[in-house]
Amino acid sequence: DSGVTQTPKHLITATGQRVTLRCSPRSGDLSVYWYQQSLDQGLQFLIQYYNGEERAKGNILERFSAQQFPDLHSELNLSSLELGDSALYFCASSTGQGALPDTQYFGPGTRLTVL
Amino acid sequence: AQKITQTQPGMFVQEKEAVTLDCTYDTSDQSYGLFWYKQPSSGEMIFLIYQGSYDEQNATEGRYSLNFQKARKSANLVISASQLGDSAMYFCAMREVSGAGSYQLTFGKGTKLSVIP
Repeated sequence: DSGVTQTPKHLITATGQRVTLRCSPRSGDLSVYWYQQSLDQGLQFLIQYYNGEERAKGNILERFSAQQFPDLHSELNLSSLELGDSALYFCASSTGQGALPDTQYFGPGTRLTVL
Repeated sequence: AQKITQTQPGMFVQEKEAVTLDCTYDTSDQSYGLFWYKQPSSGEMIFLIYQGSYDEQNATEGRYSLNFQKARKSANLVISASQLGDSAMYFCAMREVSGAGSYQLTFGKGTKLSVIP
């Protein structure tokens, strides 16, 4: 158990809908990362938050947004869902201090299926 | 060019034998970190081992060791005394310290390891 929690574990929804994925980081970690794992794209970095502020952005679509709240939990919002958004979405956390290694520990993931 | 290359899509190893999973990387940074993660069929990503670019010794964590050859830009994972529970996908990842991507991990496509009884 990494100490990172994600809910829900599974999510099935229809095209055009909007969903929210939730993540709680490990105790003491200030940084949260979101990754998408799909068969064709592999593991791709989406976005990072540090202590409530956006720190880095990767290949995140404009239809996707995220935020980190004062209690450090984070939510990833996916809207106008398309079939291609079906994937495993991971949240990871680290201290975020910057210096190596700053190991990222991953949550169990949310499997999103868009029908 | 791919930053992380894992050339073995799948590998088989006999139980109790050692196995090496290959990883090569591409970076112009002097300071970077290399990580290996395990993803069992249940889906979670489990951190295994870390090697820093300035570390002079190869990293070891229990049955896992990292064969780090900086000049060749390779960071191969060695699993000794394979167990059935080692059957999983293994991902090599890199974190570069400079530039806009200095916090994210860049992952390879993974190697699927199957341990045969």
